[in-house]
Amino acid sequence: DQQVKQNSPSLSVQEGRISILNCDYTNSMFDYFLWYKKYPAEGPTFLISISSIKDKNEDGRFTVFLNKSAKHLSLHIVPSQPGDSAVYFCAASYSGNTPLVFGKGTRLSVIA
Amino acid sequence: DAGVIQSPRHEVTEMGQEVTLRCKPISGHNSLFWYRQTMMRGLELLIYFNNNVPIDDSGMPEDRFSAKMPNASFSTLKIQPSEPRDSAVYFCASSGGQGWQETQYFGPGTRLLVL
Repeated sequence: DQQVKQNSPSLSVQEGRISILNCDYTNSMFDYFLWYKKYPAEGPTFLISISSIKDKNEDGRFTVFLNKSAKHLSLHIVPSQPGDSAVYFCAASYSGNTPLVFGKGTRLSVIA
Repeated sequence: DAGVIQSPRHEVTEMGQEVTLRCKPISGHNSLFWYRQTMMRGLELLIYFNNNVPIDDSGMPEDRFSAKMPNASFSTLKIQPSEPRDSAVYFCASSGGQGWQETQYFGPGTRLLVL
């Protein structure tokens, strides 16, 4: 049973346009969410996070939105750049010493 | 800082052989995690150490898998005997705290192929 779902295995976007990556979760106990980015032959790297007390967190070109009622979060990248081409993992955890639960990832391709 | 170091980067072995994966966490980090990535299951936690003590090993698939952390700068994940279904990319990660909201820093991974 997947608690964190990324239903789009891949996404293709034109350079300069907005990329929107989606993530759904089923466990209402989750209160902290993260996005990791992974290039081929490298480990995932932390990108941005959001606590459940917020509905938006922004860091440069990256913004994460959280809709708790829908159990949905999204990562917006504006403007998209070719260097953003990677696999993006959504992850979630909740207070109380529980492990991160990762989605299966979405492969983003930004086309020049 | 060199980041999290894993060795080997690639391993090809035959079914039944013992495989040992190694990890050196970032200096000063007190939490270490082993993950496995497969197409079917995505990225899943195998085991988590805090201050060299195993805290959560519920993700270890079966007795063939074992992990140790003899000191703060070294950990091993051993598979004995290995099976083809163990083929995956194994990641080690470390963080500076003990909470799950501390950022985890991943190594480059070990790609394991069991024939």
